[in-house]
Amino acid sequence: RKEVEQDPGPFNVPEGATVAFNCTYSNSASQSFFWYRQDCRKEPKLLMSVYSSGNEDGRFTAQLNRASQYISLLIRDSKLSDSATYLCVVNWGSGNTGKLIFGQGTTLQVKP
Amino acid sequence: EAQVTQNPRYLITVTGKKLTVTCSQNMNHEYMSWYRQDPGLGLRQIYYSMNVEVTDKGDVPEGYKVSRKEKRNFPLILESPSPNQTSLYFCASSSLLKTGGADGYTFGSGTRLTVV
Repeated sequence: RKEVEQDPGPFNVPEGATVAFNCTYSNSASQSFFWYRQDCRKEPKLLMSVYSSGNEDGRFTAQLNRASQYISLLIRDSKLSDSATYLCVVNWGSGNTGKLIFGQGTTLQVKP
Repeated sequence: EAQVTQNPRYLITVTGKKLTVTCSQNMNHEYMSWYRQDPGLGLRQIYYSMNVEVTDKGDVPEGYKVSRKEKRNFPLILESPSPNQTSLYFCASSSLLKTGGADGYTFGSGTRLTVV
């Protein structure tokens, strides 16, 4: 089983659609979770951190399910500018390890 | 402006010719790390550093060296580059959460390295 696993897609959706990505992780001791966005061959940028209670930032909602060891990202009312690769990122283990494990990414294409 | 600066952005070199990719951050971050990104493999960690003079191997350290003599700088050294080190490289830095672990990173803009 991969340490952090994502469906690579691509997800092709029309503008205005709602789309959801899931990501599973194998280390139950992981403490911190993030979603990053990466535009083609550019640096990844933090989209949002994922908290136990779930969190929302505008059209984006992230949720964590510790029991099932997955995190999700929901994008509502998709825009053309949302087209990118979304990376699921998990801090590996507990304590001050400082090591992040990246999923391979899920590619989203929003069509007009 | 808070940033991570990598240089060079693009580099073409020949097999065996030593090179250094520099990375500098101005956020006083304790944690710095190097990644390589290859198609279908995602981002893989090469080396990381928890603080000055503290470095450790990541998942793919073979063929690379690093040093952390100052908090702001974390250069990546390829002593004898080979074609399989052709890749897109990212440096990243982060503070350390009180609860442990690195919070969200700030990445440099990347270095596209080609070894022929």
